[in-house]
Amino acid sequence: DTAVSQTPKYLVTQMGNDKSIKCEQNLGHDTMYWYKQDSKKFLKIMFSYNNKELIINETVPNRFSPKSPDKAHLNLHINSLELGDSAVYFCATSGRPNTEAFFGQGTRLTVV
Amino acid sequence: AQSVTQPDIHITVSEGASLELRCNYSYGATPYLFWYVQSPGQGLQLLLKYFSGDTLVQGIKGFEAEFKRSQSSFNLRKPSVHWSDAAEYFCAVDPNTGFQKLVFGTGTRLLVSP
Repeated sequence: DTAVSQTPKYLVTQMGNDKSIKCEQNLGHDTMYWYKQDSKKFLKIMFSYNNKELIINETVPNRFSPKSPDKAHLNLHINSLELGDSAVYFCATSGRPNTEAFFGQGTRLTVV
Repeated sequence: AQSVTQPDIHITVSEGASLELRCNYSYGATPYLFWYVQSPGQGLQLLLKYFSGDTLVQGIKGFEAEFKRSQSSFNLRKPSVHWSDAAEYFCAVDPNTGFQKLVFGTGTRLLVSP
């Protein structure tokens, strides 16, 4: 049973489209994150949520909108996709403060 | 500027040889320190972490890392590399500011030669 699962694993879409990536965790953690890994493998945090409340928004364009319907889910919706949005998006979770993050397998988004 | 530096983009090591991957950080207070490994097409797996206490930490798969405050370093080591260790290795820092987040280094790709 996968601890942090993301769907879909691969997503190919045209510029201008709107798409969503879903993340679910069964670890009972309070905090969930979205990270972006670019083509050079650089990883950067985008958002974090704690108990469904947005905690961190790292100057991400407002075309990106995270939504946390409950503690176990954090979805990422992207409007008007651009070529530069092509990347691997990772969902992650962490439990009590100052513990490690657990990552999902990633969603490879390709915008054509 | 606050940052995490992994100076080696690629490292090639012979199977059975020892390995050291370098990581330096520049944060005022002692942050929380992590090493993650990413195999091709996979997510990130935690190898080890340092929060406090003993500065030599043991991780999974035979890896260890040593925190050196004076050098602001957290280098990853393994005494004998296996072919299956070929992957991308990321050092990460939680700046310990009260908001949990990881700041990653740029990664080091480990290649293992026969």
